[in-house]
Amino acid sequence: GNSVTQMEGPVTLSEEAFLTINCTYTATGYPSLFWYVQYPGEGLQLLLKATKADDKGSNKGFEATYRKETTSFHLEKGSVQVSDSAVYFCALSDDAGGTSYGKLTFGQGTILTVHP
Amino acid sequence: ETGVTQTPRHLVMGMTNKKSLKCEQHLGHNAMYWYKQSAKKPLELMFVYNFKEQTENNSVPSRFSPECPNSSHLFLHLHTLQPEDSALYLCASSRTSGGHNTGELFFGEGSRLTVL
Repeated sequence: GNSVTQMEGPVTLSEEAFLTINCTYTATGYPSLFWYVQYPGEGLQLLLKATKADDKGSNKGFEATYRKETTSFHLEKGSVQVSDSAVYFCALSDDAGGTSYGKLTFGQGTILTVHP
Repeated sequence: ETGVTQTPRHLVMGMTNKKSLKCEQHLGHNAMYWYKQSAKKPLELMFVYNFKEQTENNSVPSRFSPECPNSSHLFLHLHTLQPEDSALYLCASSRTSGGHNTGELFFGEGSRLTVL
């Protein structure tokens, strides 16, 4: 079956530091890959996505590249801010079953705390 | 504001109570989901409704009973729950078009459930 593995948290950084959150996946087909973010007290929201190999998703200074050869989708940001403190979830959507709705498999989430 | 509203935001109930969680989406989507978020665990997909028809039941115990009267509303009826059912329950919706999905889910803020 499908699975997503994220690096263990929590991750604690100082403002303007470089961020990497690792994500690897196992899937039977050719999945689309996503990063979702959950700010305190809120639901999850889509941060970025990539739908095929070598695609790079980007948003709000965050980037992730779909690496089929290493089955990875690592999240990076060059300079984090206090406002980036949140929980980050890697996820995949596998359309191999031909479903027409978004059946996502999520990782366990990585807590990021950024200090001033 | 994601366009998905969940009520109540917090619920405390005893093991013999019957209560319901409500979700409403104002996005014109036709797929709706219930996810369970427990500490240090990946999000667990519970139920999916596509065009008001239940298309996924991820081996959820019968003490959780979903209802989808129309494409905009989704309920989760709760009865004789256990303390281990305490969690954040997230509702989400998505758009499907011509059998294709974007994989992008729009989440509500969640209902925090505590079972005593």
